[in-house]
Amino acid sequence: DGGITQSPKYLFRKEGQNVTLSCEQNLNHDAMYWYRQDPGQGLRLIYYSQIVNDFQKGDIAEGYSVSREKKESFPLTVTSAQKNPTAFYLCASSIRQVNTEAFFGQGTRLTVV
Amino acid sequence: QKEVEQDPGPLSVPEGAIVSLNCTYSNSAFQYFMWYRQYSRKGPELLMYTYSSGNKEDGRFTAQVDKSSKYISLFIRDSQPSDSATYLCAMSARDSNYQLIWGAGTKLIIKP
Repeated sequence: DGGITQSPKYLFRKEGQNVTLSCEQNLNHDAMYWYRQDPGQGLRLIYYSQIVNDFQKGDIAEGYSVSREKKESFPLTVTSAQKNPTAFYLCASSIRQVNTEAFFGQGTRLTVV
Repeated sequence: QKEVEQDPGPLSVPEGAIVSLNCTYSNSAFQYFMWYRQYSRKGPELLMYTYSSGNKEDGRFTAQVDKSSKYISLFIRDSQPSDSATYLCAMSARDSNYQLIWGAGTKLIIKP
């Protein structure tokens, strides 16, 4: 089955640690995205990539980093510089830039302990 | 003021009722309008998208766009308990590189 796989589903991080969230897709989509979702707020774009080895900052990129070494993979690192990292993180992909049909993974719930 | 406004609810209706979910927006450049459904602790899934104005129907779901009023709606007919979820609207424009701008989502509860 084609789709987007995010792992892990739940992640706990101690303050001061970096953590990496995995996102893999087998849909052959060019574009991939990372969003953050907080209660009562819409999805906010962290980073996006339209092609391998290229990515752009979204609205809330501070404290996050990404890489796009393969078309299928777009991992997100939450660094210790992110002051409020506890949130639900969603990875998405779309066939092209006009992402009228973005497909989402099941999300990773990150909690700082 | 947010670019996209959506009442967070919760909206609670009895099974079988017609549900109306709405979003308003401020950017007249938006061209693509989407509705996503999100179950608790899951990723959103696309229900419908509409380009520019007009209506689009898919089974029990109808999406409506009124660009003159900057208002979009999603109607659900014969609502079922399985429709209980959070419904997110999203929209995009060419001049902002088609990046999706999201509403906060409306939590819908269908009571059996």
